[in-house]
Amino acid sequence: QPVLTQSSSASASLGSSVKLTCSLSSGHNNYIIAWHQQRPGKAPRYLMRLEGSGSYNKGSGVPDRFSGSSSGADRYLTISNLQFEDEADYYCETWDTNTRVFGGGTKLTVL
Amino acid sequence: EVQLLESGGALVQPGGSLRLSCAASGFAFSTYAMTWGRQAPGNGLEWVSSISGDGAVTYYGDSVKGRFTVSRDNSKNTLYLQMNSLRAEDTATYYCTRISGGSAVDYWGRGTLVTVSS
Repeated sequence: QPVLTQSSSASASLGSSVKLTCSLSSGHNNYIIAWHQQRPGKAPRYLMRLEGSGSYNKGSGVPDRFSGSSSGADRYLTISNLQFEDEADYYCETWDTNTRVFGGGTKLTVL
Repeated sequence: EVQLLESGGALVQPGGSLRLSCAASGFAFSTYAMTWGRQAPGNGLEWVSSISGDGAVTYYGDSVKGRFTVSRDNSKNTLYLQMNSLRAEDTATYYCTRISGGSAVDYWGRGTLVTVSS
């Protein structure tokens, strides 16, 4: 089954951009993933579905500042014009016929 | 508006049982696969179980296989998770989620807390 690897933490300044990475395990380069945001004390929220081609579909109400891209086994979430409300944990998710997997999450701090 | 509302979380002793419910509204429930996920305090997300729209196909994570059972009542727009032989490591907030046509989780409930402790 696929494994997803994320950096445990990231930080960036208010108004800047940050690019978070989710890496698929060997042999799973073509898998589709999803990105989810979890603000402190809240339930996760779906952000987008991201294909290996780099094509992505965002959830309802997700700001234009959020975008996705792909390169090989890596899937990226880019947040532009960072706001304090973007400080959260970000998880990637993928799935196979009979299983579903989450990455360990990246804690984003907005400075 | 899609809404998922979990209930049934409680404090239970090791070895005990609990049934979680998830009331769904705002979409054609029977046409969507659903899942349960969980998050232990201070930890990341973990997939627990999935069920097809008609309830005929179910899958489980290795940590709960043989102890948990997922089911649904499409006439009541409700998803269930029967949890038996509970262990301390099952302590977590349990989330009900919807699976989109594109196979990603696209909606999350607010969660219900299960605490397994003596």
